[in-house]
Amino acid sequence: QKEVEQDPGPLSVPEGAIVSLNCTYSNSAFQYFMWYRQYSRKGPELLMYTYSSGNKEDGRFTAQVDKSSKYISLFIRDSQPSDSATYLCAMDSRAGSYQLTFGKGTKLSVIP
Amino acid sequence: GAGVSQTPSNKVTEKGKYVELRCDPISGHTALYWYRQSLGQGPEFLIYFQGTGAADDSGLPNDRFFAVRPEGSVSTLKIQRTERGDSAVYLCASSFQGGVPGELFFGEGSRLTVL
Repeated sequence: QKEVEQDPGPLSVPEGAIVSLNCTYSNSAFQYFMWYRQYSRKGPELLMYTYSSGNKEDGRFTAQVDKSSKYISLFIRDSQPSDSATYLCAMDSRAGSYQLTFGKGTKLSVIP
Repeated sequence: GAGVSQTPSNKVTEKGKYVELRCDPISGHTALYWYRQSLGQGPEFLIYFQGTGAADDSGLPNDRFFAVRPEGSVSTLKIQRTERGDSAVYLCASSFQGGVPGELFFGEGSRLTVL
C-alpha cells in the first residue's frame, strides 16, 4: 500500500459544478498537507497549505483535513474551464516541508 | 526570467549513455530540490540542497544518480549508464527561507526518454 492514495480519475464536470477531490494516507506522522495544481507539461504550483484538522478557505477553493480518518479533500466551487488540470495532494511530517510525498494526481476536466 | 529554469526541456538518449540536466533556481532561493515524475504518477523526491551542500539525498534511487550545486545557485543532476526505467520528467524546484511551508516553486521539467 502506498503512503498516499489518490484516485487518478479522469474526472469530468460541467462548468459551474462543485468538485470534490480526495486523498487518503497511511502515515500518521504526516502533519502538513498541501494541494498542488499541475497544468499539462508544466510544473506543479501550490494551491493550498494546511497543518491542522478542519477547513481552510481561499476564494473558490476549500481544503479540508481529517487527521483522525487520515483523509484530506479539496473542494472547488463554481468550477471554470481554466480549472482543468491535474490536482496533486502532497504531505510531509516536518514543519520545513521539502521532502513531500505526493499522490498520483487526479486529472480534472471542466466542460464549458 | 522570474521562474525556475530547466534545460534541456527534452532529452532523448540511448541506454547506457550519460546525461546531465540543469536547473537554474529563482534568484535568492537558498533551497533547491530535484523530484522525478513518471507517467501517471506524482513527483517523487530525489535530493534537497541547502546552499551548496546536499542536505538530504535519500531519494536518489542508486549510485548512478548524482547531483551538484557548487556555487549555491545552479544545480546539475547527473545520470550515468542510463536505463529505460530512468525515463521520466525530472522536476527542479526552489524555495526561500520564511516562505509558505511546503511551497516549492517548480520548473517545467526536463523530459528524459531513454531508448
